[in-house]
Amino acid sequence: GEDVEQSLFLSVREGDSSVINCTYTDSSSTYLYWYKQEPGAGLQLLTYIFSNMDMKQDQRLTVLLNKKDKHLSLRIADTQTGDSAIYFCAESRTGANNLFFGTGTRLTVIP
Amino acid sequence: DTEVTQTPKHLVMGMTNKKSLKCEQHMGHRAMYWYKQKAKKPPELMFVYSYEKLSINESVPSRFSPECPNSSLLNLHLHALQPEDSALYLCASSSQWGTGGVLAGELFFGEGSRLTVL
Repeated sequence: GEDVEQSLFLSVREGDSSVINCTYTDSSSTYLYWYKQEPGAGLQLLTYIFSNMDMKQDQRLTVLLNKKDKHLSLRIADTQTGDSAIYFCAESRTGANNLFFGTGTRLTVIP
Repeated sequence: DTEVTQTPKHLVMGMTNKKSLKCEQHMGHRAMYWYKQKAKKPPELMFVYSYEKLSINESVPSRFSPECPNSSLLNLHLHALQPEDSALYLCASSSQWGTGGVLAGELFFGEGSRLTVL
C-alpha cells in the first residue's frame, strides 16, 4: 500500500456528510475501488469507478475521481452510526493481477 | 449468490500443528485469492489462482501451501506456523481476468478466518 495513501482517522457527527480521501501514484490505474471493513469482518465492496470516469453516484455514496491529480474521494451523505468502519481505497493496474490497497481510514460516527 | 464462504471463522493452532483454511464460491469466478491482514493494516496479497493454476505467489514462506482442487474451492494448508503468522486470512474471487492479466471489475471477499498461532 505504499503507493496508495489515505488519512488514518475521520470523525463526523451523525447526519453530517463524510468525505474520505485517497491519493495514488500509478498512472496505469484501470479501476478504483472503495471497500468497507467492520471490526472482525471481511471487506465489503461499496462501489468502484472506471478510471476514465470522473464521478459515480450510488444512493448515499458519491465517488469523485480526479485523474490529473490522482485523487479519489468517497462522500457518504447523511452518515449513520452503522457507517463506522475502516474504509479502504484500492486500485487495479494494467498488467497487475491484483488490487493495491490504501492504508485505510477509520471513520467514527458520533451520535 | 455473491458470497465467498470461508471456514473456519476462528482457528487456534500450535506451532507443530497442521491445519487448513477453506474457501468456496459459486459465482463461476475463475480467479481466487488469498490475502493476509494484520490488525489495523490493509490486506496483503499471498497467492492468486487463475483457472485453477497458481499464477502469483508473493514470496510466501513454504509453511503456507495453497491448493485449488476445482474452480469453486481454494484451500490454504498450514504447517509449522509461527506466532507472527497470527492474522485474519481473507479469500477473494473475481470473474474478470482480462487480456494482459488486468483485474477489471469486482473483487469479492469472504468474511475471513482469524488465525491464532500459540
